[in-house]
Amino acid sequence: DAKTTQPNSMESNEEEPVHLPCNHSTISGTDYIHWYRQLPSQGPEYVIHGLTSNVNNRMASLAIAEDRKSSTLILHRATLRDAAVYYCILRDGAGGGNKLTFGTGTQLKVEL
Amino acid sequence: NAGVTQTPKFRILKIGQSMTLQCTQDMNHNYMYWYRQDPGMGLKLIYYSVGAGITDKGEVPNGYNVSRSTTEDFPLRLELAAPSQTSVYFCASSPRRSGNTIYFGEGSWLTVV
Repeated sequence: DAKTTQPNSMESNEEEPVHLPCNHSTISGTDYIHWYRQLPSQGPEYVIHGLTSNVNNRMASLAIAEDRKSSTLILHRATLRDAAVYYCILRDGAGGGNKLTFGTGTQLKVEL
Repeated sequence: NAGVTQTPKFRILKIGQSMTLQCTQDMNHNYMYWYRQDPGMGLKLIYYSVGAGITDKGEVPNGYNVSRSTTEDFPLRLELAAPSQTSVYFCASSPRRSGNTIYFGEGSWLTVV
């Protein structure tokens, strides 16, 4: 399974944008890039996903490099409720259950 | 719409006991998954299923068994519980294809003493 690399932790101030990077140099052509986040004592929650083009939704934006070897999750205005562990995951598009393989993620701390 | 429902939420087991974690989804999803999460770590895949009657091993299957007799249900069986199985267990489901979202349950906290 293709792996991702993320910083262990990042900090942000409330109301400021946050850019969470992810490297996935071994990504295959059929892998979708997914982002999930996990608040304390809860299950992972879907944030956004994409294949080749940049994506926007109500929660965040996903910027994907042209060679697809890296991506960045953008939270436009961080709030205290965005403090969580953010996982960048490659979802295997070639079959085999389309599994998600989790790394250790980035712990985002948001301060007033 | 309940989504993915796991029971029980909390359980304490004695070493050597057995139990089943229940998982039900009401979204008619083909794919279902069981993950475990140890403190401070990411989730590790135990077993998954691509449809009723079809299951396969994930990264850490030892000590667990699953079955998928219906589309809705995907129970996880722990045989002869060991302290190493103390963890939080998450069930998840998804439609086919990797471009779709995976939905997770709220988790089951299991302690083996």
